[in-house]
Amino acid sequence: ETVLTQSPTTTAASPGEKVTITCRASSSVSYMHWYQQKSGASPKLWIYDTSKLASGVPNRFSGSGSGTSYSLIISSIETEDAATYYCQQKSSDPPTFGAGTKLELK
Amino acid sequence: EVQLVESGGGLVQPGRSLKLSCAASGFTFSNYYMAWVRQAPKKGLEWVATISTSGSRTYYPDSVKGRFTISRDNAKSSLYLQMNSLKSEDTATYYCARLRGCFDYWGQGVMVTVSS
Repeated sequence: ETVLTQSPTTTAASPGEKVTITCRASSSVSYMHWYQQKSGASPKLWIYDTSKLASGVPNRFSGSGSGTSYSLIISSIETEDAATYYCQQKSSDPPTFGAGTKLELK
Repeated sequence: EVQLVESGGGLVQPGRSLKLSCAASGFTFSNYYMAWVRQAPKKGLEWVATISTSGSRTYYPDSVKGRFTISRDNAKSSLYLQMNSLKSEDTATYYCARLRGCFDYWGQGVMVTVSS
């Protein structure tokens, strides 16, 4: 199976800062999807097909990457962005998730 | 508005069975693959099962293969997960999700606790 490794595991940023979350795949994948999960809530699709924002996602979020390296970028953090972000691939079976990156606000 | 509402969770003893249900609304259920994804307490997300639009094809990871069965009733817009021979490591919140390459909609989740 394709293992997804996210980094960092946890990060803290101040409002207005730029944050980059990386997801590395153990083998090449065609697309990467990203989910946001806030404490006590179910995950929400956040970015799909590597770079497309899900409905309602602010445009300070963006996604990029190819092959084995993908990124979720927040250009200017806001307090509401505090959450755990997971990457996910379905290019090869079984679908797999990264372990998550917890984003905290300073 | 797409809605997925799970039910059927609870406390169950190791080795026993439990059946989860997911009621879907707001979209044409029969047009979509569906899936179950679980999350153990304080842990990450793990895919559990996928079913095709007609129900003729199902997919599982090795961790649940032979113990869990996913099924659907398109007439009732409902998804199910029959879980047999439950183990303590199956303790998790189980989410029903619509599958479109990505998991584009998720339910609120239902907690399953396997403990004696």
